Amino acid sequence: AQSVTQPDIHITVSEGASLELRCNYSYGATPYLFWYVQSPGQGLQLLLKYFSGDTLVQGIKGFEAEFKRSQSSFNLRKPSVHWSDAAEYFCAVGAMEYGNKLVFGAGTILRVKS
Amino acid sequence: GAGVSQTPSNKVTEKGKYVELRCDPISGHTALYWYRQSLGQGPEFLIYFQGTGAADDSGLPNDRFFAVRPEGSVSTLKIQRTERGDSAVYLCASSLRGGGLLNTEAFFGQGTRLTVV
Repeated sequence: AQSVTQPDIHITVSEGASLELRCNYSYGATPYLFWYVQSPGQGLQLLLKYFSGDTLVQGIKGFEAEFKRSQSSFNLRKPSVHWSDAAEYFCAVGAMEYGNKLVFGAGTILRVKS
Repeated sequence: GAGVSQTPSNKVTEKGKYVELRCDPISGHTALYWYRQSLGQGPEFLIYFQGTGAADDSGLPNDRFFAVRPEGSVSTLKIQRTERGDSAVYLCASSLRGGGLLNTEAFFGQGTRLTVV
């Protein structure tokens, strides 16, 4: 069965520090991979996505993610976190073979210390 | 409109009652999706519309759940005989064209928080 694991429920980083949010997936097909961010009172916003090609993907707001097939991972990174990055982050996986559904992880809540 | 609009933003209902949740997609978007997000979980797929028809309803948990999109724009998610386990945030998203969320960016609404007491 398809599944997405985000091992960290909460992460706290200092403003200006680097960030890495982990995502592992289990999928019986060629995966399409996504990261979404959800701020309080806001809808989910797409940060970046990976379909094929270069395994290092650049997104909005200075985020990037790297697809590692051998590790079944798609970790999200940012070199320097800003206080406004505090939010909940969701990794999601889909595949053409499974239609139009995305399978989401349980999310990681990011807190930023000033 | 400027974004996906969902109404009401909050709904409290008694166990056993019927509820309707409304989604106004972005104008011109042909694809519409419903997801459910339970506390501490990520969103879970419910149903996908392409135009007026439900192209994939495999995520609806049981026959108490039903969704319509009669004119290919506004969609209503209907829940009959609500149960406490239905309490969740119900998210709607729309995208410009079909092909699902894999090929086309979907824009999410803020959700309707349903509480069944």
